[in-house]
Amino acid sequence: ETGVTQTPRHLVMGMTNKKSLKCEQHLGHNAMYWYKQSAKKPLELMFVYSLEERVENNSVPSRFSPECPNSSHLFLHLHTLQPEDSALYLCASSPWEVVAAEAFFGQGTRLTVV
Amino acid sequence: AQTVTQSQPEMSVQEAETVTLSCTYDTSESDYYLFWYKQPPSRQMILVIRQEAYKQQNATENRFSVNFQKAAKSFSLKISDSQLGDAAMYFCAYRTSNQAGTALIFGKGTTLSVSS
Repeated sequence: ETGVTQTPRHLVMGMTNKKSLKCEQHLGHNAMYWYKQSAKKPLELMFVYSLEERVENNSVPSRFSPECPNSSHLFLHLHTLQPEDSALYLCASSPWEVVAAEAFFGQGTRLTVV
Repeated sequence: AQTVTQSQPEMSVQEAETVTLSCTYDTSESDYYLFWYKQPPSRQMILVIRQEAYKQQNATENRFSVNFQKAAKSFSLKISDSQLGDAAMYFCAYRTSNQAGTALIFGKGTTLSVSS
């Protein structure tokens, strides 16, 4: 039990497919994050949810659509992706009110767009 | 906007030796937090060490220690008595203390290999 669980671990999808990534945390945190990790680039912050409301969207293309139905679950809906979207997608969580707190990460979903 | 720079894409060290990973950051804030994370092949990001900017004393966690130079905006990680299990990608990260719920800002990472 890692605290933050992501499914699936691996995903291959065509450019016309629609799929969703799931993240679940059992740590009682109320802030959750999606990051994109590509080779030789910093981790790119995609979305931030604090107290179940989206508070940050770093100009992410609309083909990525997040959803946070409650404080324990976070989804990333994917549609009409491009090959350059292939990357490792990491979910993280932290307690919103504790600025000193670390973020806890899931093991990521390795996405390949063909 | 804050940025984090890790200038060493790859580093290598022999078992039992010491290695230092570099990190610099840019910010106009006076209070913030800095982190080093380890990402082994399992992909699970794990916190290695944390430093609070208002504390002058360098953080240490067993074989891991940092050299925090606030004026120079430098935050290096020293790994002593390196072990094979230390082989991983290491990320330096920054978080502001001015607002709750903000995300960590990461560098590009340094891949550390350890040889026996």
